[in-house]
Amino acid sequence: ELKVEQNPLFLSMQEGKNYTIYCNYSTTSDRLYWYRQDPGKSLESLFVLLSNGAVKQEGRLMASLDTKARLSTLHITAAVHDLSATYFCAVDEYGGATNKLIFGTGTLLAVQP
Amino acid sequence: ETGVTQTPRHLVMGMTNKKSLKCEQHLGHNAMYWYKQSAKKPLELMFVYSLEERVENNSVPSRFSPECPNSSHLFLHLHTLQPEDSALYLCASSPDGTGWADTQYFGPGTRLTVL
Repeated sequence: ELKVEQNPLFLSMQEGKNYTIYCNYSTTSDRLYWYRQDPGKSLESLFVLLSNGAVKQEGRLMASLDTKARLSTLHITAAVHDLSATYFCAVDEYGGATNKLIFGTGTLLAVQP
Repeated sequence: ETGVTQTPRHLVMGMTNKKSLKCEQHLGHNAMYWYKQSAKKPLELMFVYSLEERVENNSVPSRFSPECPNSSHLFLHLHTLQPEDSALYLCASSPDGTGWADTQYFGPGTRLTVL
């Protein structure tokens, strides 16, 4: 059974600082997604990572995938308050007939001025 | 309307009530999903429909009954729920459902409270 773990679960950081959120998963997969959820809102797709070594960047966020280590990272550069949200990684079960996403527990990011 | 819409946004019901959640996608997608988001738990996939056919049923209790009359609409019929079923229910859609790297687009959710 595929399990997805994120850490940390909660991250309080100051504006301007850098930090990394980690996403580990337990079985083979090379399809990984990052989503953002604002309070009371739905999930917004951020990145889709499809191969070992994939790196995607959008603004102050950069995501990478190491399928051999079964690890994805979401790196935040020079955080700003607008990045405060909950971030989820999700892994597509490999070899499934349908796109079945297994989500991590989420990382609540609070960026303090 | 654009994207994925859900109604109602909030629902309070008693354990003996019957209610339905509605999801509509305006993206021309072929696959639709129901997820449950409980406090302090990961999102749980409940059902997957691809081209109106149910292709995944993730051991969900029978008090939850999905219906997909066409590729744009998805319902979740609720009856005899328990307080532990209180959660945010999210609907999502994706272009294919069986294709490679099919990004799922989520609706705003229905916040369900069972008294």
